Amino acid sequence: AIRMTQSPSSFSASTGDRVTITCRASQGISSYLAWYQQKPGKAPKLLIYAASTLQSGVPSRFSGSGSGTDFTLTISSLQPDDFATYYCQQANSFPLTFGGGTKVEIK
Amino acid sequence: EVQLVESGGGLVKPGGSLRLSCAASGFTFSSYSMNWVRQAPGKGLEWVSSISSSSTYIYYADSVKGRFTISRDNAKNSLFLQMNSLRAEDTAVYYCARGSNSGLVQGEYFPHWGQGTLVTVSS
Repeated sequence: AIRMTQSPSSFSASTGDRVTITCRASQGISSYLAWYQQKPGKAPKLLIYAASTLQSGVPSRFSGSGSGTDFTLTISSLQPDDFATYYCQQANSFPLTFGGGTKVEIK
Repeated sequence: EVQLVESGGGLVKPGGSLRLSCAASGFTFSSYSMNWVRQAPGKGLEWVSSISSSSTYIYYADSVKGRFTISRDNAKNSLFLQMNSLRAEDTAVYYCARGSNSGLVQGEYFPHWGQGTLVTVSS
């Protein structure tokens, strides 16, 4: 199975900050990568798929990049609604796998 | 509007069985793959199983293979997960998620999720 490793596992940031979360795959997955946002007690929400395609309705402050094994999710200016946990997911092959998550907390 | 509503969760003893259901609406159910994803309390997301639109292709996580069975009824817009030989480590919120394709090909993302149903395995 392809292992997905996210870093950091958590960090604190302030509203307005530019933040970057990294996801590394244990083997090449081309651009078959998605990013999800999850808030406590809620289902995950798809933000980005195919590494860099913004899901409909997602604010443009979210962006994704990367291919092969290294990927990043960037929030250009952190908003109060963005404090949540973020997961990457590889869609290159079954079994589908998620990263361990990155919790973004308020500084 | 896409809606996915899970049901069937609850408390079950180790070794017991449970059948989860997911009622879908707001899209052509028979045109999309469907998936189950779970989340243990305080933990991350874990993919459980996927089924293609016509049930031709099915995949399971190693952790549930041989114990869980995914199925669907396209006439009733419903997805199911039969869970047997349940273990404490199966305790989780189980989410039904619509896939992004009809077949289980590269690019299987989850654009739509249900609210989840809690399964607790405990004596």
